[in-house]
Amino acid sequence: SQQGEEDPQALSIQEGENATMNCSYKTSINNLQWYRQNSGRGLVHLILIRSNEREKHSGRLRVTLDTSKKSSSLLITASRAADTASYFCAFSQGAQKLVFGQGTRLTINP
Amino acid sequence: NAGVTQTPKFQVLKTGQSMTLQCAQDMNHEYMSWYRQDPGMGLRLIHYSVGAGITDQGEVPNGYNVSRSTTEDFPLRLLSAAPSQTSVYFCASSLTRGGTTYGYTFGSGTRLTVV
Repeated sequence: SQQGEEDPQALSIQEGENATMNCSYKTSINNLQWYRQNSGRGLVHLILIRSNEREKHSGRLRVTLDTSKKSSSLLITASRAADTASYFCAFSQGAQKLVFGQGTRLTINP
Repeated sequence: NAGVTQTPKFQVLKTGQSMTLQCAQDMNHEYMSWYRQDPGMGLRLIHYSVGAGITDQGEVPNGYNVSRSTTEDFPLRLLSAAPSQTSVYFCASSLTRGGTTYGYTFGSGTRLTVV
């Protein structure tokens, strides 16, 4: 399968803690993206990191990319209850096609 | 600015019936695609289009047809519905400019049940 693999499949933490999710892939990529999906809703684009970038920040989000290990991580700092959602990595191998991972279900406990 | 609009939101079909899932975007995005989401399977690409008049198959195209006559619309047709096509279907679009890839904008999904 060309799908990315995400780890862990589920993560439960206390509000205020940091959450880290990891994504691995098998082929060379043009860019890697992270998306959030609230229950029953569509996916929302969070951040895009290109293959020649190593780290990117957006608010409380920090994404790293290690192309030598074919892996990426998403860090959410100071988590909030509203961060409860599923998070998906997706990578582009060419043109615009995105291949998605199976997602990490994040639960923030108050 | 409506973004990506999918209709209907819910649909129940009988095995063998056909139907069209509608997708429209008002952002002048060249790239549009259809995914299906099943529990434990993530999102799998069905068909995609890089512009009006151009479509191609994704990972799971069997049983589905698409066409792209305008930039705005990208309907997905189920030819003869089967229970295996029970899923949540998402349409997404993206801007392409000078070879640069941008993030996708997703619709809110169509939940399809085939009985």
